[in-house]
Amino acid sequence: GAGVSQTPSNKVTEKGKYVELRCDPISGHTALYWYRQSLGQGPEFLIYFQGTGAADDSGLPNDRFFAVRPEGSVSTLKIQRTERGDSAVYLCASSLNGVLNEQFFGPGTRLTVL
Amino acid sequence: AQSVTQLDSHVSVSEGTPVLLRCNYSSSYSPSLFWYVQHPNKGLQLLLKYTSAATLVKGINGFEAEFKKSETSFHLTKPSAHMSDAAEYFCVVSDGRYGNKLVFGAGTILRVKS
Repeated sequence: GAGVSQTPSNKVTEKGKYVELRCDPISGHTALYWYRQSLGQGPEFLIYFQGTGAADDSGLPNDRFFAVRPEGSVSTLKIQRTERGDSAVYLCASSLNGVLNEQFFGPGTRLTVL
Repeated sequence: AQSVTQLDSHVSVSEGTPVLLRCNYSSSYSPSLFWYVQHPNKGLQLLLKYTSAATLVKGINGFEAEFKKSETSFHLTKPSAHMSDAAEYFCVVSDGRYGNKLVFGAGTILRVKS
């Protein structure tokens, strides 16, 4: 079956621009997560959705970062006024529900801010 | 907050020899622990997980890990390395209000020599 997909696979933007990163979770998975992986580091949690609502957004670094999941399926991570320090691989994961089920990860979107 | 420390950033073994990747955790309560593997240009894949059942956990591809509370360790082992095991491995602990936030270690890159 189809896994978690993310688009685009690569995104190059200029400092100060706005970007949107998309995640399509596995069908039927109610829980969706965003993580950020900087070069040479492990992924860091950003936000967790259960259905349409953000159950835990404690990992969002500042108010330039925002994520939505309006219909409880596809999610979009939005970054305003991008900075060079935002350059990283943004990973999306989904799980069947929110209770310690395995998180299945997508291939990631590599964001480069020039 | 929960955390994990991977004690080696790089490990190099010869094909057919044992693999040991070390991980220590810090937790204020009984943790859920995981090992994930990341092959180049591929998504993160769950190898195994510990959730307070048997302390010796068997995973995919011949890997296993032992939860040792007295040592706060969760080391990953495999009796005989294969070339296809070359990848980056992450030790992970669950955290957050719902236990869904994964906290990753910095990763250990495993190199397998022929």
